[in-house]
Order: sequence, then C-alpha cells, then structure tokens
Amino acid sequence: AQSVTQLDSQVPVFEEAPVELRCNYSSSVSVYLFWYVQYPNQGLQLLLKYLSGSTLVESINGFEAEFNKSQTSFHLRKPSVHISDTAEYFCAVIQGGSEKLVFGKGTKLTVNP
Amino acid sequence: EPEVTQTPSHQVTQMGQEVILRCVPISNHLYFYWYRQILGQKVEFLVSFYNNEISEKSEIFDDQFSVERPDGSNFTLKIRSTKLEDSAMYFCASRGSGASTDTQYFGPGTRLTVL
Repeated sequence: AQSVTQLDSQVPVFEEAPVELRCNYSSSVSVYLFWYVQYPNQGLQLLLKYLSGSTLVESINGFEAEFNKSQTSFHLRKPSVHISDTAEYFCAVIQGGSEKLVFGKGTKLTVNP
Repeated sequence: EPEVTQTPSHQVTQMGQEVILRCVPISNHLYFYWYRQILGQKVEFLVSFYNNEISEKSEIFDDQFSVERPDGSNFTLKIRSTKLEDSAMYFCASRGSGASTDTQYFGPGTRLTVL
C-alpha cells in the first residue's frame, strides 16, 4: 500500500530564511503528488501538485516542489519565507486509478521574526 | 471563492450515541469525500461518493459508518454507535467532474469528541 513520509514534524525558521520540507513516498508506479497547507482554524488548501510534465512545479506564493522519481521524493522549498507562511504542510499522493489521497503526518512550519 | 462548509465545528457525544456530521460541498461538484485525522496521526481517507453511491472506501469505513446525500446540497457522515477511538477531526472534501487527480477542496473540519 502507498505510504507517505514527512520526516520533520516541526520546522522553525527565521523570516527571510530558506526552507525545505521533506516528503518521500513509497511507490513510483503511476503516482500524482500534492502539497496541501492548513492555516489555523481552516481547512486543507491545495498549494501545488505534480501530475506530469516538468518535474518542477510552483505555487503562486513562491513555494516550489520537485518530483524526483529515482529518490521517490517531492520536497517543498521556498527561498525566503514570511511570517504568514506559518502553517502546517501536508504532502499527499494519489495512486493512478484510485480516488483517495494518502497523506503524510504533516510538518508544522513556524516562521519567527 | 466557493468553499466547502462543515457543521458543527465541534461535536461532543457519549460513547454509543449516533452522530451525524454535515457538509455542504461546492455547488457544482460531483465527487465527495470524508477523511479523518486522529490527534497526532495522519489524515486518513474514509470514503468517496459519486452519483449517489460509494465509489471507494477504506478498511476504517465499516458498518458503523454511512454516508448520504439527502438533498442537492448536503453530504453527511453518520456514525451509528460511537466509540472512544472515533474521536478525531473529520474533514469533508469535494471536487468537480474530470480526472481523479483534480483538486479536492477541503472543509475546515468537525472535531468529534467521544466521551
């Protein structure tokens, strides 16, 4: 069965520092990859997704993630974070033919001034 | 922007009681989902629903659970006889027609506490 691992449960960083949130998944067969973000007291919002094509995908607020098939990874990066990026970030996978998102445990990103 | 809404935001119930969690998906969406997150654990898929029937369900979704779309706007999750281990945050999601990889839009969740 497909599984997703987010190695870091909490990541504290200072404002304007770069950040990388790590995500690994278990199977490369026909997978589609997502990052969701959850701000306090809100639902999960799609940040970006990889379906096919270019392995580097970007969000409108400066995050990017790269699909690496050989390392079965989909790490999320931002070169310079803002206080407003403080949230919990979830990596998720859909396996081809399935309806269900399989989530990692989430990483709480805290951006300090 | 349209959004998925869920009520109540917090539900407290006694073990053995029935609960119904309610969701209003985005109005033109056709695919509906329930997920849950037990405190400190992963968000887990429970069930997907399309064309008035379950299209996929997990092993968690046993006979104690049921889903329904009672009218054109609501989507409900019923737990017939709650157990302590049903305490979790329950998320509803919906997506429009098209590929299964299209974005699922999530509601803010209902926190269920079973005493």
